[in-house]
Amino acid sequence: EVQLVESGGGLIQPGGSLRLSCAASGFTVSSNYMSWVRQAPGKGLEWVSVIYSGGTTYYSDSVKGRFTISRDNSKNTLYLQMNSLRAEDTAVYHCARVRISWGILDFWGQGTLVTVSS
Amino acid sequence: EIVLTQSPGTLSLSPGERATLSCRASQSVSSSYLAWYQQKPGQAPRLLIYGASNRATGIPDRFSGSGSGTDFTLTISRLEPEDFAVYYCQQYGNSPPGFTFGPGTKVDIK
Repeated sequence: EVQLVESGGGLIQPGGSLRLSCAASGFTVSSNYMSWVRQAPGKGLEWVSVIYSGGTTYYSDSVKGRFTISRDNSKNTLYLQMNSLRAEDTAVYHCARVRISWGILDFWGQGTLVTVSS
Repeated sequence: EIVLTQSPGTLSLSPGERATLSCRASQSVSSSYLAWYQQKPGQAPRLLIYGASNRATGIPDRFSGSGSGTDFTLTISRLEPEDFAVYYCQQYGNSPPGFTFGPGTKVDIK
């Protein structure tokens, strides 16, 4: 059974850093494209980043230069390193598996809440 | 950058009624890369439709998708109590690579 479990969220001050983790089971992270999507409280879905199976990464303009997506193949885990956090980064962050042949996110984790506030 | 617009913002219907949700793109989208998701409060989004008209695994056949170019539709033929949720359309672009979501349509109980 495919499962994605995020962790690492919490309350952080503006300008701070946080690393999110997404532990996968039922499939191999390194063999798949993986993505992060966030949802601000009461708002819609916003794509954040993607990492290809070959390691190429892409980011939305809103996080480029501040966030870094990566993975640990030995732990079958996806990460999102978030630096220079702003109030507008407050959101639930979901990891998701990508099916690039259809451009879809076919399995999602429940998400972890990041709150940026002083 | 392609912008997706969904209408209506909220759809108030009764169980058993038909729901028709619209997703319009600011420029032509490949049908292969148009998807729909359902999200209930406190839950992760769930993939419903991919490739504009293909149901994902386990999705009941009361859900159907159609459309091409800039206009796409999600239809729920007869609303069940568990179908009251928010629905998002999404497109994938590869220049530069990334995913774009519409703002969502909330289907609530009338």
